Amino acid sequence: EDQVTQSPEALRLQEGESSSLNCSYTVSGLRGLFWYRQDPGKGPEFLFTLYSAGEEKEKERLKATLTKKESFLHITAPKPEDSATYLCAVHVPRGATNKLIFGTGTLLAVQP
Amino acid sequence: DTEVTQTPKHLVMGMTNKKSLKCEQHMGHRAMYWYKQKAKKPPELMFVYSYEKLSINESVPSRFSPECPNSSLLNLHLHALQPEDSALYLCASSHSGPNSPLHFGNGTRLTVT
Repeated sequence: EDQVTQSPEALRLQEGESSSLNCSYTVSGLRGLFWYRQDPGKGPEFLFTLYSAGEEKEKERLKATLTKKESFLHITAPKPEDSATYLCAVHVPRGATNKLIFGTGTLLAVQP
Repeated sequence: DTEVTQTPKHLVMGMTNKKSLKCEQHMGHRAMYWYKQKAKKPPELMFVYSYEKLSINESVPSRFSPECPNSSLLNLHLHALQPEDSALYLCASSHSGPNSPLHFGNGTRLTVT
């Protein structure tokens, strides 16, 4: 069964304290791994797509990496505005189309 | 602001009502999606439309009825809902390629009384 697991469930950081979020997956036929950010009461906002092991993407204080079994979202010197739920999702084939399966998310709180 | 627009933002309906949720995108995407999200949970896929044809139905109860009138519009018709159907309903769209990210709207917060 296709499965996506994120850890930790929640993370509290001080402003400037770097850390990493983990996303591990067990899927057949991975067609892409995606990171999203979701603020309360809003839809998920797309951050990155990773396609193959060894790939890395960066955007401001965020850097996403991918191995064959997991992905990491590294947050360098976070600011309070980085507080949000970070969702990992994988694209798997489903008939003639694809299905996006989400992990349970990591709730990040950055304190000033 | 997102490029996927959902209306209404909030909806309260009784169990005997019929209502519709609407979603619109003008990014030229040919795949559109409905997701349901309960509090503190990840989004769960309900339906996928590809080139205006229903391609995935995740065994959703028939009280939810999707419709894709054209490539820019997606509706979700609601009838005889239950209180447990209260949730954030998210619409998304993407290009039809296998590696295309989904772009989400900000959802409709539905409360069933």
